[in-house]
Amino acid sequence: GAVVSQHPSWVICKSGTSVKIECRSLDFQATTMFWYRQFPKQSLMLMATSNEGSKATYEQGVEKDKFLINHASLTLSTLTVTSAHPEDSSFYICSARDLLTTKYNEQFFGPGTRLTVL
Amino acid sequence: GENVEQHPSTLSVQEGDSAVIKCTYSDSASNYFPWYKQELGKRPQLIIDIRSNVGEKKDQRIAVTLNKTAKHFSLHITETQPEDSAVYFCAASTNAGKSTFGDGTTLTVKP
Repeated sequence: GAVVSQHPSWVICKSGTSVKIECRSLDFQATTMFWYRQFPKQSLMLMATSNEGSKATYEQGVEKDKFLINHASLTLSTLTVTSAHPEDSSFYICSARDLLTTKYNEQFFGPGTRLTVL
Repeated sequence: GENVEQHPSTLSVQEGDSAVIKCTYSDSASNYFPWYKQELGKRPQLIIDIRSNVGEKKDQRIAVTLNKTAKHFSLHITETQPEDSAVYFCAASTNAGKSTFGDGTTLTVKP
């Protein structure tokens, strides 16, 4: 149980285009999902907290108009990187909390999406 | 906000030796402390966690200790094996579920 998927696993796009990344909880309901970004050899940096049915909460320094987050259902959150630039190239990972079996605050991570902007 | 510091950034041990990684946190509201192992290009994998009402937890070769007063917690790996080589992250989390990660420790276990 507690499986989180992400799609796509990798994407290459041209500078100026937009890219959408999906995060799904496959076998549980997640009221809260988190989006992280991880640059090579660095830690996971929280970008935003995505709550089902409400606006996402962005961390300081993260542009909400550039990183659009939608959490329309208890099993799906999407991150759209708008007008992507090479500096947005990174590993994007989502995580989700299981409402019913919250082992304290345990999060379940998706496999990540490698974004490369040319 | 929460600030998590992790040391050392790199750690090299001989197979069979023990490895210890230490973290400190700043927010007294943090009450959940997971440790993750991450291999290159993969998702973080939870290896052990501890809650703020517990001082120590052990799972086979892995143990975690928590000193709530001093706001620090440590990961102990005994009888290390080459397959333990990876990057390890500590994290501190509040009831809101938001986690702050340490900068990571690259552990190398030499055969």
